[in-house]
Amino acid sequence: QLQLQESGPGLVRPSETLSLTCTISGGSISSNNNFWAWVRQSPGKEVEWIGHIYYSGSTFYNSALKSRVTISLDTPKNQFSLKLSSVTAADTAVYFCAAGYSSGWLFHYWGQGTVVSVSS
Amino acid sequence: TVMTQSPATLSLSPGESATLSCRASQSINNKLAWYQQKPGRAPRLLIYDASTRATGIPARFSGSGSGTEFTLTISSLQPEDFALYYCQQYINWLSFGGGTTVEMK
Repeated sequence: QLQLQESGPGLVRPSETLSLTCTISGGSISSNNNFWAWVRQSPGKEVEWIGHIYYSGSTFYNSALKSRVTISLDTPKNQFSLKLSSVTAADTAVYFCAAGYSSGWLFHYWGQGTVVSVSS
Repeated sequence: TVMTQSPATLSLSPGESATLSCRASQSINNKLAWYQQKPGRAPRLLIYDASTRATGIPARFSGSGSGTEFTLTISSLQPEDFALYYCQQYINWLSFGGGTTVEMK
């Protein structure tokens, strides 16, 4: 059973870069059957897809965030990461890493989520 | 594609049936998923392709619809079913609905 775990700072200063890592267990990041994603949930409970990546390196980003987002793989560590630049208070959210199958962009597996607050 | 869920809140008693609606701003064929989320937890996939239950999901959860109108039905609500439910389309990139809370009356 695939398991995902987020890690990273819980507090980020405005205008800085948010960086999170997702560690995969019970499966391999090099699987051609999966994609690896980041999703966030605002304090108001709105759920927003941020983007995802395939082992091939292909990335797909939410157009509203595309200019600030980078998702990358660390294959030796079986991890993938999120970088979100120039953050503001509007980026305060619970950030989830998630995974699905290449047959459709839905999320079969989720990490437990990590709270990130943007504040000075 | 904008996904609109209704109602925002559903107040029901255990044993009753719940009907949750999700509307897409354009046709998404059957590329719709439903998730359940409990406080402090990640969403859990219930239904995909509009009507296929995910692994381990009880038969009291059923999905229907195609095009722009979709329904999640929970027959005979159990205490553990009181939660927040989201729909998500995955044919035109990705987008989620605003959620429906099923609360205990």
